[in-house]
Amino acid sequence: GENVEQHPSTLSVQEGDSAVIKCTYSDSASNYFPWYKQELGKGPQLIIDIRSNVGEKKDQRIAVTLNKTAKHFSLHITETQPEDSAVYFCADWGTGNQFYFGTGTSLTVIP
Amino acid sequence: DAGVTQSPTHLIKTRGQQVTLRCSPKSGHDTVSWYQQALGQGPQFIFQYYEEEERQRGNFPDRFSGHQFPNYSSELNVNALLLGDSALYLCASSLVRSYEQYFGPGTRLTVT
Repeated sequence: GENVEQHPSTLSVQEGDSAVIKCTYSDSASNYFPWYKQELGKGPQLIIDIRSNVGEKKDQRIAVTLNKTAKHFSLHITETQPEDSAVYFCADWGTGNQFYFGTGTSLTVIP
Repeated sequence: DAGVTQSPTHLIKTRGQQVTLRCSPKSGHDTVSWYQQALGQGPQFIFQYYEEEERQRGNFPDRFSGHQFPNYSSELNVNALLLGDSALYLCASSLVRSYEQYFGPGTRLTVT
Protein backbone atom coordinates (compact mmCIF):
# COMPACT_ATOMS: atom_id res chain seq x y z
CA GLY A 1 0.00 0.00 0.00
CA GLU A 2 0.89 3.69 -0.07
CA ASN A 3 3.65 4.87 2.27
CA VAL A 4 4.03 8.51 3.26
CA GLU A 5 7.21 9.36 5.16
CA GLN A 6 7.52 12.65 7.01
CA HIS A 7 10.65 14.35 8.40
CA PRO A 8 11.67 15.61 10.84
CA SER A 9 9.53 14.23 13.66
CA THR A 10 10.35 17.24 15.85
CA LEU A 11 11.51 20.71 14.89
CA SER A 12 12.41 23.71 17.06
CA VAL A 13 12.99 27.15 15.56
CA GLN A 14 13.45 30.66 16.90
CA GLU A 15 10.57 33.06 16.37
CA GLY A 16 10.98 34.77 13.03
CA ASP A 17 12.98 31.96 11.46
CA SER A 18 11.70 29.63 8.75
CA ALA A 19 10.56 26.03 9.19
CA VAL A 20 10.57 23.32 6.53
CA ILE A 21 8.88 19.92 6.77
CA LYS A 22 9.35 17.29 4.06
CA CYS A 23 7.28 14.30 2.97
CA THR A 24 7.88 11.56 0.45
CA TYR A 25 5.29 9.27 -1.08
CA SER A 26 5.40 6.09 -3.10
CA ASP A 27 2.14 5.97 -5.09
CA SER A 28 2.50 7.33 -8.62
CA ALA A 29 -1.28 7.76 -8.78
CA SER A 30 -1.31 10.28 -5.92
CA ASN A 31 -2.69 13.58 -7.20
CA TYR A 32 -3.61 15.75 -4.20
CA PHE A 33 -1.38 16.70 -1.28
CA PRO A 34 -2.80 18.55 1.74
CA TRP A 35 -1.08 19.76 4.90
CA TYR A 36 -2.86 19.80 8.25
CA LYS A 37 -2.10 21.57 11.53
CA GLN A 38 -3.25 19.87 14.71
CA GLU A 39 -3.24 21.74 17.99
CA LEU A 40 -3.54 19.99 21.34
CA GLY A 41 -7.03 18.63 21.92
CA LYS A 42 -8.26 19.56 18.44
CA GLY A 43 -8.77 17.84 15.14
CA PRO A 44 -6.47 18.48 12.17
CA GLN A 45 -7.07 21.72 10.32
CA LEU A 46 -6.34 22.05 6.60
CA ILE A 47 -3.81 24.86 6.12
CA ILE A 48 -2.72 24.48 2.49
CA ASP A 49 -2.94 21.96 -0.31
CA ILE A 50 -1.50 21.36 -3.77
CA ARG A 51 -2.57 19.34 -6.77
CA SER A 52 -0.29 17.24 -8.93
CA ASN A 53 -0.40 19.65 -11.88
CA VAL A 54 1.08 22.49 -9.80
CA GLY A 55 4.67 22.85 -8.58
CA GLU A 56 4.23 25.48 -5.88
CA LYS A 57 1.47 27.22 -3.98
CA LYS A 58 1.73 30.06 -1.48
CA ASP A 59 -0.66 31.53 1.06
CA GLN A 60 0.83 34.40 3.05
CA ARG A 61 3.57 32.89 5.27
CA ILE A 62 2.88 29.31 4.20
CA ALA A 63 3.97 27.62 0.98
CA VAL A 64 3.98 24.10 -0.37
CA THR A 65 6.23 22.73 -3.12
CA LEU A 66 5.76 19.50 -5.04
CA ASN A 67 8.31 17.49 -7.01
CA LYS A 68 6.36 14.73 -8.77
CA THR A 69 9.43 13.19 -10.36
CA ALA A 70 11.12 12.70 -7.01
CA LYS A 71 7.79 12.01 -5.26
CA HIS A 72 8.27 14.52 -2.49
CA PHE A 73 6.53 17.64 -1.24
CA SER A 74 7.42 20.18 1.42
CA LEU A 75 5.77 22.70 3.71
CA HIS A 76 7.54 26.01 4.22
CA ILE A 77 6.57 28.41 7.00
CA THR A 78 8.32 31.78 7.00
CA GLU A 79 8.53 34.36 9.80
CA THR A 80 7.39 31.78 12.34
CA GLN A 81 5.32 32.89 15.33
CA PRO A 82 4.63 31.14 18.67
CA GLU A 83 1.09 30.36 17.51
CA ASP A 84 2.57 28.24 14.70
CA SER A 85 3.59 25.70 17.39
CA ALA A 86 1.58 22.52 16.72
CA VAL A 87 1.83 19.11 15.08
CA TYR A 88 1.81 19.21 11.29
CA PHE A 89 0.73 16.30 9.09
CA CYS A 90 1.20 15.79 5.38
CA ALA A 91 -1.13 13.52 3.44
CA ASP A 92 -1.78 12.34 -0.06
CA TRP A 93 -4.81 11.07 -1.95
CA GLY A 94 -3.83 7.87 -3.64
CA THR A 95 -4.82 4.42 -4.80
CA GLY A 96 -7.95 3.21 -3.07
CA ASN A 97 -9.45 6.71 -3.12
CA GLN A 98 -8.38 7.49 0.39
CA PHE A 99 -6.00 9.74 2.25
CA TYR A 100 -2.69 8.45 3.60
CA PHE A 101 -1.11 10.52 6.35
CA GLY A 102 2.46 11.02 7.45
CA THR A 103 3.48 10.43 11.06
CA GLY A 104 3.55 14.12 11.97
CA THR A 105 6.08 16.83 12.85
CA SER A 106 5.92 18.54 16.22
CA LEU A 107 6.94 22.17 15.60
CA THR A 108 7.97 24.39 18.50
CA VAL A 109 8.55 28.10 17.90
CA ILE A 110 10.70 29.57 20.66
CA PRO A 111 9.84 33.21 21.50
CA ASP B 1 -21.94 28.06 10.67
CA ALA B 2 -21.30 25.00 12.83
CA GLY B 3 -18.31 22.94 11.91
CA VAL B 4 -17.97 19.19 12.36
CA THR B 5 -19.14 18.06 15.76
CA GLN B 6 -18.48 14.75 17.49
CA SER B 7 -19.82 13.09 20.61
CA PRO B 8 -18.91 12.07 23.17
CA THR B 9 -15.62 13.88 23.83
CA HIS B 10 -14.17 11.10 25.94
CA LEU B 11 -15.18 7.51 26.54
CA ILE B 12 -13.85 4.70 28.70
CA LYS B 13 -14.82 1.14 27.87
CA THR B 14 -13.80 -2.34 28.96
CA ARG B 15 -12.27 -4.94 26.69
CA GLY B 16 -14.96 -6.91 24.84
CA GLN B 17 -17.57 -4.17 25.04
CA GLN B 18 -19.12 -2.31 22.13
CA VAL B 19 -19.02 1.44 21.49
CA THR B 20 -20.86 3.92 19.26
CA LEU B 21 -19.39 7.27 18.30
CA ARG B 22 -21.35 10.03 16.59
CA CYS B 23 -20.56 12.74 14.07
CA SER B 24 -22.47 15.64 12.56
CA PRO B 25 -20.89 17.02 9.38
CA LYS B 26 -20.27 20.65 8.51
CA SER B 27 -23.39 22.32 7.16
CA GLY B 28 -23.79 21.56 3.44
CA HIS B 29 -21.44 18.57 3.41
CA ASP B 30 -22.71 15.18 2.27
CA THR B 31 -19.74 12.88 2.83
CA VAL B 32 -18.33 11.62 6.12
CA SER B 33 -15.04 9.83 6.69
CA TRP B 34 -13.78 8.23 9.89
CA TYR B 35 -10.17 7.99 11.02
CA GLN B 36 -8.33 6.36 13.91
CA GLN B 37 -5.38 8.32 15.33
CA ALA B 38 -3.14 6.44 17.73
CA LEU B 39 -0.98 8.48 20.09
CA GLY B 40 1.91 10.06 18.24
CA GLN B 41 0.72 8.85 14.84
CA GLY B 42 -1.07 10.28 11.86
CA PRO B 43 -4.75 9.53 11.23
CA GLN B 44 -5.54 6.19 9.58
CA PHE B 45 -8.54 5.94 7.26
CA ILE B 46 -11.29 3.61 8.47
CA PHE B 47 -14.11 4.20 5.96
CA GLN B 48 -16.15 6.80 4.12
CA TYR B 49 -19.92 7.18 3.79
CA TYR B 50 -21.92 8.90 1.07
CA GLU B 51 -25.63 8.58 0.34
CA GLU B 52 -25.94 6.29 3.37
CA GLU B 53 -23.56 3.74 1.89
CA GLU B 54 -19.95 2.81 2.62
CA ARG B 55 -17.93 3.95 -0.40
CA GLN B 56 -14.37 3.16 0.61
CA ARG B 57 -12.82 1.18 3.42
CA GLY B 58 -9.32 1.16 4.84
CA ASN B 59 -7.48 -1.76 6.37
CA PHE B 60 -9.70 -2.26 9.41
CA PRO B 61 -11.49 -5.46 10.53
CA ASP B 62 -15.22 -6.01 10.34
CA ARG B 63 -15.49 -5.15 14.05
CA PHE B 64 -15.53 -1.58 12.77
CA SER B 65 -18.82 -0.67 11.14
CA GLY B 66 -20.68 2.50 10.39
CA HIS B 67 -23.85 4.12 9.33
CA GLN B 68 -24.91 7.36 7.68
CA PHE B 69 -28.34 8.83 8.23
CA PRO B 70 -30.53 10.80 5.76
CA ASN B 71 -29.41 14.07 7.43
CA TYR B 72 -25.77 13.09 6.60
CA SER B 73 -24.77 12.51 10.22
CA SER B 74 -22.87 9.32 10.89
CA GLU B 75 -22.04 6.73 13.53
CA LEU B 76 -18.99 4.57 14.01
CA ASN B 77 -19.51 1.29 15.84
CA VAL B 78 -16.74 -0.87 17.22
CA ASN B 79 -17.54 -4.34 18.57
CA ALA B 80 -15.49 -6.65 20.81
CA LEU B 81 -13.16 -3.83 21.87
CA LEU B 82 -9.46 -4.56 22.20
CA LEU B 83 -6.87 -2.63 24.19
CA GLY B 84 -5.34 -1.63 20.85
CA ASP B 85 -8.53 0.19 19.88
CA SER B 86 -7.63 2.95 22.34
CA ALA B 87 -7.15 6.04 20.19
CA LEU B 88 -8.57 9.36 19.08
CA TYR B 89 -11.36 8.77 16.56
CA LEU B 90 -11.77 11.59 14.08
CA CYS B 91 -14.64 12.35 11.81
CA ALA B 92 -14.12 14.45 8.69
CA SER B 93 -16.75 15.84 6.36
CA SER B 94 -16.54 16.98 2.76
CA LEU B 95 -18.50 17.39 -0.43
CA VAL B 96 -18.50 14.24 -2.55
CA ARG B 97 -16.57 15.81 -5.43
CA SER B 98 -14.11 17.76 -3.30
CA TYR B 99 -10.84 16.69 -1.73
CA GLU B 100 -11.12 19.26 1.07
CA GLN B 101 -11.89 17.64 4.39
CA TYR B 102 -12.90 19.35 7.61
CA PHE B 103 -12.17 17.46 10.80
CA GLY B 104 -14.06 17.40 14.06
CA PRO B 105 -12.31 17.56 17.45
CA GLY B 106 -12.43 13.79 17.84
CA THR B 107 -13.56 11.31 20.47
CA ARG B 108 -10.88 9.96 22.80
CA LEU B 109 -11.61 6.25 23.40
CA THR B 110 -9.81 4.42 26.17
CA VAL B 111 -10.19 0.64 26.44
CA THR B 112 -9.19 -0.90 29.77
